Parts: sequence; C-alpha cells; structure tokens
Amino acid sequence: GAGVSQSPSNKVTEKGKDVELRCDPISGHTALYWYRQSLGQGLEFLIYFQGNSAPDKSGLPSDRFSAERTGGSVSTLTIQRTQQEDSAVYLCASSSRGSWDRGGGYTFGSGTRLTVV
Amino acid sequence: GENVEQHPSTLSVQEGDSAVIKCTYSDSASNYFPWYKQELGKRPQLIIDIRSNVGEKKDQRIAVTLNKTAKHFSLHITETQPEDSAVYFCAATLNTGGFKTIFGAGTRLFVKA
Repeated sequence: GAGVSQSPSNKVTEKGKDVELRCDPISGHTALYWYRQSLGQGLEFLIYFQGNSAPDKSGLPSDRFSAERTGGSVSTLTIQRTQQEDSAVYLCASSSRGSWDRGGGYTFGSGTRLTVV
Repeated sequence: GENVEQHPSTLSVQEGDSAVIKCTYSDSASNYFPWYKQELGKRPQLIIDIRSNVGEKKDQRIAVTLNKTAKHFSLHITETQPEDSAVYFCAATLNTGGFKTIFGAGTRLFVKA
C-alpha cells in the first residue's frame, strides 16, 4: 500500500482479555518494527522483523507480549491477559534497505490506541 | 544495547528565536541518526537525518550536528515559528544486518507567538 496501515485505530478492552493489533507495512519493505508510546512519553522499542531473520524481541516487556509476521508482510502484535499499564498507542513502522541507504528512515503507521479498563 | 538520552524534556522559545535539542548515544557502532517530529495526535514524521560519516547537515531552518567522538548529536531550529511546536525525538540506529533504532525520550517544544 501507499503507507503503513494499522488496525484497529482504537481498541478498548477489559483487563484480562487478549488483544491483537495488526500492521500492514508498505509493500516491499523488508523491515517492520513495533513501538509503544504511553501518554506523553517517548517511543519504546518492542520488536522488529528483518526479512527472514529471527526477530529481535529484546524490547518486549513481558511474556504476555508476542508478535508474528506472516509471509514477510503483515504483522500481528498480541497482548495476552491485558493489564491497565498496557494502555498506550502502539505504533508500527516499516523500512526498506533503500530507506537507510538513501535516507528516509522509518515510515510510521497512525497507531492503535489501546485502552485497558 | 544502545541508550539514547535527550535534553531538554521541555523547551519554550519565543517566535523567531532558535531552539536547540541535544542527544547522546552509548553505542559507538550506531551510524545513522534520524530526527522525528510528532504533532499532537499524529504519527512521528522524519524531518532530517545524518549519517556517521558527516558532521553537519542543513535543510532550510533545520540543521543537525554530530560529534562521533563525544557521541553527541544536536538539532538546531532557527527562526522558530508556532507551527514548529511539537514533540521532537532523536534516535540512533545500529546496523546489525537490520536497522534497529532506539529513540530518545522526546523534547516538547513550545513556540510562543
């Protein structure tokens, strides 16, 4: 697609429920990243996928968080047994090799605002 | 792993004045340093970037400087305008086969008219 698409844009869930957040990167982008942004805070790295390599999961805050990237394209971030502290905006970004060689960095999606009540 | 520190957390300037945001990074292997601007309720947007083989880069009213030895880099905005008001994030990217980027905590810039 023309940009990075994320769905849903907003999600309200009850504490203890599982949620799935979806990211559809720019077509042809080999790298996909998930970040979390709590209200008024910075961008916290969660996980990234690069091509067919094993993902870098070093930023996932607990084992309740997991992510998959199927077919090298769409990614799903799953949060199990949600807690109130999981409330944040979850941002996805993608990039191609060319993004770094030519400059341009990441392209971010609009994010999913997750509220756990 | 990489750690990026950013200062100040909040910056208020008068329209027309300059604004400077400073960042430090910890991993000397980081080789690409983008800056993002995030307006309220919107996604971060890249505004300028610099590579480790360059000391300074300028784009109209925005300039970035990089001191590899000290592991410092800075964003300079001249002739600030109210529409420059936003949160600015610095970042450091490590090329480990992929491109893992760690962001600073952000600087909230207010430009007063």
